[in-house]
Amino acid sequence: AQSVTQLDSQVPVFEEAPVELRCNYSSSVSVYLFWYVQYPNQGLQLLLKYLSGSTLVESINGFEAEFNKSQTSFHLRKPSVHISDTAEYFCAVRLNTGFQKLVFGTGTRLLVSP
Amino acid sequence: DTGVSQNPRHKITKRGQNVTFRCDPISEHNRLYWYRQTLGQGPEFLTYFQNEAQLEKSRLLSDRFSAERPKGSFSTLEIQRTEQGDSAMYLCASTRDNQPQHFGDGTRLSIL
Repeated sequence: AQSVTQLDSQVPVFEEAPVELRCNYSSSVSVYLFWYVQYPNQGLQLLLKYLSGSTLVESINGFEAEFNKSQTSFHLRKPSVHISDTAEYFCAVRLNTGFQKLVFGTGTRLLVSP
Repeated sequence: DTGVSQNPRHKITKRGQNVTFRCDPISEHNRLYWYRQTLGQGPEFLTYFQNEAQLEKSRLLSDRFSAERPKGSFSTLEIQRTEQGDSAMYLCASTRDNQPQHFGDGTRLSIL
């Protein structure tokens, strides 16, 4: 079975500061990795994904994540955050075969203040 | 691409009542998933459809829960004899092939 650990339930940060949201996963087989963002009273939006290839993946709004197989991590980073980045961020894993259900972490709330 | 649509957005009901939620996936997405999200937690998988066939159900899906996807298009999730513990956000997601899942905005269920 797969599992995801997001160590920080909440991360407060000032606007324009860098941020890292941590994600570690456990799986005995290869998985795909995802970061989703959830704004209040909305569903989840895909932020970025790692399927294969380059271990560094980037989103269009400045976020990036690096897949580290030896440390089983997929940390999310942004060099300079905006107020609008305030949201809940979920890391998830999925097998690349079978039913492909997502297994999520408990989420990290990013709070950006001026 | 109109996105995944879920109705209603909010549902308030009394304990013991039956409720039904609807999910309209992105057209041509043959895979459809239901998840449940409680306060402060990540979404948890409930059930999976490939076209009209329900191929996997989580142990979270008690016998009070039933889901259908007639003709492989929209899906419904019904909860019978609702309990306080059923209060949650119910999320629907769809995809095709090996692509990432697209989520709807969810139905928030509140049990009085």
